[in-house]
Amino acid sequence: DTGVSQDPRHKITKRGQNVTFRCDPISEHNRLYWYRQTLGQGPEFLTYFQNEAQLEKSRLLSDRFSAERPKGSFSTLEIQRTEQGDSAMYLCASSPRPTGGSFNYGYTFGSGTRLTVV
Amino acid sequence: KQEVTQIPAALSVPEGENLVLNCSFTDSAIYNLQWFRQDPGKGLTSLLLIQSSQREQTSGRLNASLDKSSGRSTLYIAASQPGDSATYLCAVFISNFGNEKLTFGTGTRLTIIP
Repeated sequence: DTGVSQDPRHKITKRGQNVTFRCDPISEHNRLYWYRQTLGQGPEFLTYFQNEAQLEKSRLLSDRFSAERPKGSFSTLEIQRTEQGDSAMYLCASSPRPTGGSFNYGYTFGSGTRLTVV
Repeated sequence: KQEVTQIPAALSVPEGENLVLNCSFTDSAIYNLQWFRQDPGKGLTSLLLIQSSQREQTSGRLNASLDKSSGRSTLYIAASQPGDSATYLCAVFISNFGNEKLTFGTGTRLTIIP
């Protein structure tokens, strides 16, 4: 396993179009997270899954955003009717199931998908 | 609401110098703290993970410390090299009633001058 994979690496779309991004986590990781990062800022939390269940969604995730993780494996993030303000780097991360009293073993991030809305 | 601050926002030092990057957080009820490196236009690479029960972690020329009670962490880089130039981000992990979240600072952009 080579880590967390995201596809595509770059996406340029016209305002109003729909876009979908894919994330393949490390295979044994049951937790998957989506973050958004704008220029000069740290990543901001969007949503997270434990297996196939979406457990938390940020207020940043408007009705135009939807995320899925069917069968608890890969995940998709869809943005409908894109706006220029959606231009950002979309980062996916995964984390293993905690065991032995440790709550979290840390996140592994993918290389991100850079979205440009023109 | 947890807030994470990194100072300075940017730092330039000559090659070979030792340096310290700072991270502070407002809520000490964290489970761990992670330092990441980000090259321009790229994703995040994990450098060090410190659990809340630990005081420090070391990896090669990097040493990270954690003082949970005062809400501070530092990343020490020894004998800096031009390849260390990148943005360094710290992030704290919290879990509240099953909601898990990694909260990031805005980063320190480090430039090592050859």
